[in-house]
Amino acid sequence: GAVVSQHPSRVICKSGTSVKIECRSLDFQATTMFWYRQFPKKSLMLMATSNEGSKATYEQGVEKDKFLINHASLTLSTLTVTSAHPEDSSFYICSASTGTDSYEQYFGPGTRLTVT
Amino acid sequence: GQSLEQPSEVTAVEGAIVQINCTYQTSGFYGLSWYQQHDGGAPTFLSYNALDGLEETGRFSSFLSRSDSYGYLLLQELQMKDSASYFCAVPKGAGTALIFGKGTTLSVSS
Repeated sequence: GAVVSQHPSRVICKSGTSVKIECRSLDFQATTMFWYRQFPKKSLMLMATSNEGSKATYEQGVEKDKFLINHASLTLSTLTVTSAHPEDSSFYICSASTGTDSYEQYFGPGTRLTVT
Repeated sequence: GQSLEQPSEVTAVEGAIVQINCTYQTSGFYGLSWYQQHDGGAPTFLSYNALDGLEETGRFSSFLSRSDSYGYLLLQELQMKDSASYFCAVPKGAGTALIFGKGTTLSVSS
């Protein structure tokens, strides 16, 4: 099956700093990728849809200036958490599908962000 | 918008059969999917139903009734490794992001 990677897997940063998380589709091209956030023992919450070559589409309540998304190529989307605060600590997961008619999404292994 | 309801926890013993139900409300329907997630891991795809009926994949089966806005995941011959969270999910639209239910934590004991 298709493989999606994320980097880093874990990151600890200080309040006020910014952190960039990369999501790559390794063996397929993804014009669209999705970013989710998950708190412990909770569900995955959709944050935004990342579109290659255009602006991301953010879900209601997600601050686009805080969570910057860039999808510069067909295999790479990045999520930058700007001016991070402890409440941004979470598990961030990206996903992609192999086509618009594909129902299966492939998830990256996730990035555990801890803001101190 | 979309919303999905599923039980928060289910417990069972090895070798048993478990059914995890999911009811959904959607503005448009593009299929119901099931994902498994172990602690600290990524969700992995289990099954998908676009039409009414039962889909079987090994020990796991999934059922859909569109008229009832209801589906379930059936896990047979449970093994300890099946202990995980199970999420039902629906796409926001055709080929788009998934909206997940709150998840069902399955604990399998020996």
